[in-house]
Amino acid sequence: EVQLVGSGGGLVQPGGSLRLSCAASGFTFNTYSMSWVRQAPGKGLEWVANIKQDGSDKYYVDSVKGRFTISRDNAKNSVYLQMNSLRAEDTAVYYCARAWGYYYGPGSYIEYFDYWGQGTLVTVSS
Amino acid sequence: EIVMTQSPATLSVSPGERVTLSCRASQSVSSSLAWYQQKPGQPPRLLIYGASTRATGIPARFSGSGSGTEFALTISSLQSEDFAVYYCQQYNKWWTFGQGTKVEIK
Repeated sequence: EVQLVGSGGGLVQPGGSLRLSCAASGFTFNTYSMSWVRQAPGKGLEWVANIKQDGSDKYYVDSVKGRFTISRDNAKNSVYLQMNSLRAEDTAVYYCARAWGYYYGPGSYIEYFDYWGQGTLVTVSS
Repeated sequence: EIVMTQSPATLSVSPGERVTLSCRASQSVSSSLAWYQQKPGQPPRLLIYGASTRATGIPARFSGSGSGTEFALTISSLQSEDFAVYYCQQYNKWWTFGQGTKVEIK
């Protein structure tokens, strides 16, 4: 059974830092890219960051570039999100998600999120 | 950025009714479209990928259609457990979500 267990959320002051973790089990972790997706209270979903299988490529939504860093440890079956210079607008539940990929047409590799963790709440407030 | 627009924002329906949710992309996403269901306090659950393929374990009453910029999710006969918020997501270029459609009991 695929399981994704997020942790590390909490209350932090504006300008502060937090590191989220997501522990994976039930699948071969190093064969999947992983993402973080967030959801502000009462709002919709926003993709935040993605990391490829070997950690060589990382991608971010514009609003977190230069402040957030995604990483992974394939030996520990875990993905992380280091969040620095936090702002009030970063307040959200953060979900880790597994990305399932497939080829669609020549040279086109696309991925959607097939499993999600239960989420960890980050509150940025003074 | 590809903007996804869902309509309506809220649907009030009775159990047993057929419902159709709409999703429009600001540019073509081909068939790179997924639908998710989210209940309060839970993470999203994948229903449909590739615009029309049901994910593992998803009941046949859920069906997806469309390609390019216009998509739909149909629930053929609404069950009590289907009252939730539904999100569409394009994954053709990065990942963006619609704002969601809440399906509530009439």
